[in-house]
Amino acid sequence: SQQGEEDPQALSIQEGENATMNCSYKTSINNLQWYRQNSGRGLVHLILIRSNEREKHSGRLRVTLDTSKKSSSLLITASRAADTASYFCATVSSNDYKLSFGAGTTVTVRA
Amino acid sequence: KAGVTQTPRYLIKTRGQQVTLSCSPISGHRSVSWYQQTPGQGLQFLFEYFSETQRNKGNFPGRFSGRQFSNSRSEMNVSTLELGDSALYLCASSSPTSTDTQYFGPGTRLTVL
Repeated sequence: SQQGEEDPQALSIQEGENATMNCSYKTSINNLQWYRQNSGRGLVHLILIRSNEREKHSGRLRVTLDTSKKSSSLLITASRAADTASYFCATVSSNDYKLSFGAGTTVTVRA
Repeated sequence: KAGVTQTPRYLIKTRGQQVTLSCSPISGHRSVSWYQQTPGQGLQFLFEYFSETQRNKGNFPGRFSGRQFSNSRSEMNVSTLELGDSALYLCASSSPTSTDTQYFGPGTRLTVL
C-alpha cells in the first residue's frame, strides 16, 4: 500500500513557468524525499527533508514540509523541457523505517 | 563510481515459470532494496538486505524472495509467475553514511505471458 498521495496526478506547463506538486501522507515520518523518474527508468533522488525541517532548497527545487498537516510540496522554478518526468514523494516511517512511495505526479513541460 | 546495475534489463516469461533478477549496488554500499512498480499499484517495497541479512520486508507473498551475497550483490527470485507479476523491478542501494537516500538502478522490465 502507498503511504503518500500526490496532487495533481498530472501537470502540463510552459517552459519557464513554475511547477508545484503536493504530497500528503498518513503516518508519522522520519523524513520525506522527492524522486524523479524519466519514462519507465530508474528513480533519481532529488531532495530529502527531515521531520524537524520546514523548508529546503536545492538549485531550482524548493521543498516544504508541514508535519501538522502531514503534507509536503515540491516547487520547481523556471522549468525546462528536461524537467519532463514523473515526480514521487517517498516517506520513511518513524515506526519501521520503510520507504513508501506515493503514486506520483507526471509533469510535462512544453517548449 | 559506477551506478547501480541490474541484469537483465528485459525479460519475458510465461506463467508458472520462475525468474531471478540481479542487482549490483554502488561500490561501498551495503544496503540493497527491491521495489516493484506497476501502473495499478505504483511503487511498492519488496525487501531490504544489509550485510547478507534481510532487514525489512514488504507485504508480498512468499513467492517473492531475495538474498544478498558477501560482495553486497543481491538477487531476487519470483517463483510460479503470475500475469500480475509483470512489472518494472527496481533495485536501490544506500551508502553507510547516508542510509536514507536510495540510489536506483535502471530496473528490469519483466513481462509474464
